[in-house]
Amino acid sequence: AQSVAQPEDQVNVAEGNPLTVKCTYSVSGNPYLFWYVQYPNRGLQFLLKYITGDNLVKGSYGFEAEFNKSQTSFHLKKPSALVSDSALYFCAVKTDKLIFGTGTRLQVFP
Amino acid sequence: DAGVTQSPTHLIKTRGQQVTLRCSPKSGHDTVSWYQQALGQGPQFIFQYYEEEERQRGNFPDRFSGHQFPNYSSELNVNALLLGDSALYLCASSFRLAGGPTGELFFGEGSRLTVL
Repeated sequence: AQSVAQPEDQVNVAEGNPLTVKCTYSVSGNPYLFWYVQYPNRGLQFLLKYITGDNLVKGSYGFEAEFNKSQTSFHLKKPSALVSDSALYFCAVKTDKLIFGTGTRLQVFP
Repeated sequence: DAGVTQSPTHLIKTRGQQVTLRCSPKSGHDTVSWYQQALGQGPQFIFQYYEEEERQRGNFPDRFSGHQFPNYSSELNVNALLLGDSALYLCASSFRLAGGPTGELFFGEGSRLTVL
């Protein structure tokens, strides 16, 4: 069965520092991987996706993600965190539907 | 260009009642998916509608049903509400033929259902 795992419930980082939110996946065949962000009491917003090609994918708001086939990972990264990045982040794999991880709450402190 | 719109935004029901949630997809989209997001959890896939038919279904009981109209809008109905049905219900739209497995979904802001 296709699935994604987000091993960290929460990630804390100081503003200006780099951030990483981890995601590992389990799929048969080529993985179609996504990151979404959810701000309080809001729906999900698309950040970026990996379909094929370069392992480093650039997305919205300065975020990027690194696809690593050997480690079956798709970690979300940003070189310099902002307080406004504080939100809930979901990794997802898509077959005929999106399957989400449990989410990681990112807290960026001033 | 309007995005995905959902109504109502909040509602409160009691156990045993029935609820209908509504969704209008993003302009140009023809496929609607519904997700349930319980507090502190990731969204769980309920079902997907395309061409007015249910195409895919997640692991949800028959109390959860839906409909898609000719204008691509959709309804989610839940009968015999249970306390555990309290959640944020998210609608997502896409254009099936262009999207497929590589296309991203566009989400509405959700309908928060509280069952007392």
